[in-house]
Amino acid sequence: NAGVMQNPRHLVRRRGQEARLRCSPMKGHSHVYWYRQLPEEGLKFMVYLQKENIIDESGMPKERFSAEFPKEGPSILRIQQVVRGDSAAYFCASSPLSRGGDYEQYFGPGTRLTVT
Amino acid sequence: GQQVMQIPQYQHVQEGEDFTTYCNSSTTLSNIQWYKQRPGGHPVFLIQLVKSGEVKKQKRLTFQFGEAKKNSSLHITATQTTDVGTYFCAAYSGAGSYQLTFGKGTKLSVIP
Repeated sequence: NAGVMQNPRHLVRRRGQEARLRCSPMKGHSHVYWYRQLPEEGLKFMVYLQKENIIDESGMPKERFSAEFPKEGPSILRIQQVVRGDSAAYFCASSPLSRGGDYEQYFGPGTRLTVT
Repeated sequence: GQQVMQIPQYQHVQEGEDFTTYCNSSTTLSNIQWYKQRPGGHPVFLIQLVKSGEVKKQKRLTFQFGEAKKNSSLHITATQTTDVGTYFCAAYSGAGSYQLTFGKGTKLSVIP
């Protein structure tokens, strides 16, 4: 039973380029969450998605960032025109059907984004 | 929005000593979760506490949820080098919320 999968594990982009981060949730999980973690910091919630729906994107910057979770395929976090401040670890987590936040979240290994 | 404060930020202990990290909220929490993140790794769920005054144990780890459901603690007895990592508490932002708010974590170093 594979866990949450994320790729790439490491991504280097020059300023102004686009970054695409992928996440495949655990089998049977229909809820995906994205978090950002700066060095020596906790995790900051970005967005919560279900298949084909964005449920809560209140933690995501309004510009340059977007997320999707299509009917088929992985969830994608897209960062356009990256800047140095976007350098961070981006974690995806999944959970089974949730009832108001009763379930633990299972985290993927993360994508370490470096913007040069 | 929901905030959980966690102290201390760093803790260095000699192997065999005990360790405790504390998590506090200004509002009543519906539940609280604890995660561990090893250096260079990803957060791994440890436990969830739901009931007021709840105490749960996992081997050398003891988790407590305050009577008022506004604070929680994680205590490790006789630390080992395998306990090294950052311990986070996390809580959902209100009833029915899907947004998990993490504390800043306590980074534990164990000196052999």
